[in-house]
Amino acid sequence: DGGITQSPKYLFRKEGQNVTLSCEQNLNHDAMYWYRQDPGQGLRLIYYSQIVNDFQKGDIAEGYSVSREKKESFPLTVTSAQKNPTAFYLCASSNPGQGRKLFFGSGTQLSVL
Amino acid sequence: SQQGEEDPQALSIQEGENATMNCSYKTSINNLQWYRQNSGRGLVHLILIRSNEREKHSGRLRVTLDTSKKSSSLLITASRAADTASYFCATELRDYKLSFGAGTTVTVRA
Repeated sequence: DGGITQSPKYLFRKEGQNVTLSCEQNLNHDAMYWYRQDPGQGLRLIYYSQIVNDFQKGDIAEGYSVSREKKESFPLTVTSAQKNPTAFYLCASSNPGQGRKLFFGSGTQLSVL
Repeated sequence: SQQGEEDPQALSIQEGENATMNCSYKTSINNLQWYRQNSGRGLVHLILIRSNEREKHSGRLRVTLDTSKKSSSLLITASRAADTASYFCATELRDYKLSFGAGTTVTVRA
């Protein structure tokens, strides 16, 4: 099945700890995105990557880091500098030829212990 | 700040009724998209309408776009229990980033 796989589904972070959320896609899409969703709010863009080995900050990049070493993979690290990390994190991908329609993974719920 | 805002925030309807939700935005867009999210899941793309289009249909969905008023509406006809979800509009801005609203939560009662 083609799609986007996010793991883990649930993740707990201790104070001062960095954690990494995984996102893998087999849709052969060039662009990948990370969004954060808080209860009752819309999605906010953290980072995006239009092509391998390149990525740009979104609206709320502080306290997060990403890498894009492979086309299929776009991991997100939530660093200890992110003071309010509890949220639902969504990864998405798109191809410009499809009008930038986003395909989403099923999300990772990150909570602080 | 978010570009799009959905109205109403929540909507409760009887099965078989129509559901209408609106989206307003602030700046010029390339296109506007609607997505559905079931509780605790990722978003699923429903429909895309380009800035030069006024209306689009897909099954029981009808989307309108009024660029002069910077607004869009999503109509779901003959609603079913499976339509219970949150619906988000997303505007593609000139720099090709998508900006999402806070969503409308729709509950379809049996």
